[in-house]
Amino acid sequence: GDSVTQMEGPVTLSEEAFLTINCTYTATGYPSLFWYVQYPGEGLQLLLKATKADDKGSNKGFEATYRKETTSFHLEKGSVQVSDSAVYFCALSERGYQKVTFGTGTKLQVIP
Amino acid sequence: DTGVSQNPRHKITKRGQNVTFRCDPISEHNRLYWYRQTLGQGPEFLTYFQNEAQLEKSRLLSDRFSAERPKGSFSTLEIQRTEQGDSAMYLCASSLAGEGRETQYFGPGTRLLVL
Repeated sequence: GDSVTQMEGPVTLSEEAFLTINCTYTATGYPSLFWYVQYPGEGLQLLLKATKADDKGSNKGFEATYRKETTSFHLEKGSVQVSDSAVYFCALSERGYQKVTFGTGTKLQVIP
Repeated sequence: DTGVSQNPRHKITKRGQNVTFRCDPISEHNRLYWYRQTLGQGPEFLTYFQNEAQLEKSRLLSDRFSAERPKGSFSTLEIQRTEQGDSAMYLCASSLAGEGRETQYFGPGTRLLVL
């Protein structure tokens, strides 16, 4: 079945540091890929998505590129802020199916 | 656009009791989903509706769980004879079939604690 593996946290960075959160996936078909973010006390929000190979999703300074050859969708940001502290979930959705399969989440803590 | 809303936000119950949660999707979204999230894990799919029809159910949805969407708008998730293992955050999401259909918008969740 489908699965998503992402790096374990917590990840602690200083403000303005470079962020990478690794995500790899296993899927039987050709999925769409997502990063969701969950800020403290809030619901899941879609951060970015990519629907085909080599697509780059971007939002709020975050980027992720759909790499079919390595089945990866790593999240990056060049300069993190304290306000980026949250839990980040990598996820996929197979074409023709409605459920979203999530990874276990990576907690990011950015310190001033 | 008011977003997906869920009620109640928190529920504490005793083992063996029944509980019911409500989800109001984004207006005009015809697809509605239920997920369950336990501590330290990502959300796990439970079931989804297109309009009033329940089209898919996960094996996680035991016969103690029932979901309805009677008029194709709001949905309810009922858990009968709750067990301590049912303690989790129950998330609802909605989407619009068609263009951009793959994007699901999540509500804030209902946190259930079974004592």
